[in-house]
Amino acid sequence: KQEVTQIPAALSVPEGENLVLNCSFTDSAIYNLQWFRQDPGKGLTSLLLIQSSQREQTSGRLNASLDKSSGRSTLYIAASQPGDSATYLCAVSSGNTGKLIFGQGTTLQVKP
Amino acid sequence: DAGVIQSPRHEVTEMGQEVTLRCKPISGHDYLFWYRQTMMRGLELLIYFNNNVPIDDSGMPEDRFSAKMPNASFSTLKIQPSEPRDSAVYFCASSLAPSGGVWEQFFGPGTRLTVL
Repeated sequence: KQEVTQIPAALSVPEGENLVLNCSFTDSAIYNLQWFRQDPGKGLTSLLLIQSSQREQTSGRLNASLDKSSGRSTLYIAASQPGDSATYLCAVSSGNTGKLIFGQGTTLQVKP
Repeated sequence: DAGVIQSPRHEVTEMGQEVTLRCKPISGHDYLFWYRQTMMRGLELLIYFNNNVPIDDSGMPEDRFSAKMPNASFSTLKIQPSEPRDSAVYFCASSLAPSGGVWEQFFGPGTRLTVL
């Protein structure tokens, strides 16, 4: 059974810092991995999707990496801003279904 | 495109009442998913459809929960009778068929359900 874990559960940093959010999964037979952002009381916004054959994806200040063999992904946020404050969720999909298995999320606070 | 549309956005009801949540997927998407988010269990898949046919309903918690997709542009999730432990945020998501290693889901804004 696939399990997804995110560490840390919460993170508070001053504005301008570079930071890394971690995601680990137990079954390496994934189709792809998605990172989402969720603002309080809002829905999920897809940030990055990494195919199982890829090592990383970049979008602006965000960079996500994937190491399937070790069951790990990281989301790197460069030069953090207060507007980055949100909960970040990692989710993996298995090979033959569209079912997304989510981690519990990392709640990020960037202080001005 | 307006994205995935869900209604209502908020629902407050009393225990024992029937609750119906609605979802309109992105036009042209083949797959529709219903998820539930709670503090204790996080986000969990309840059921998903492919071309309006339920494929996996193993996440539906009890017989009190039922979901339908009568056509490609509309789905409902019904709870009857509702209980306080059903209080959660219910998300609908849709996607195209997987292709080239990409199976990306797009989420609606969710329905926050409170059962008193």
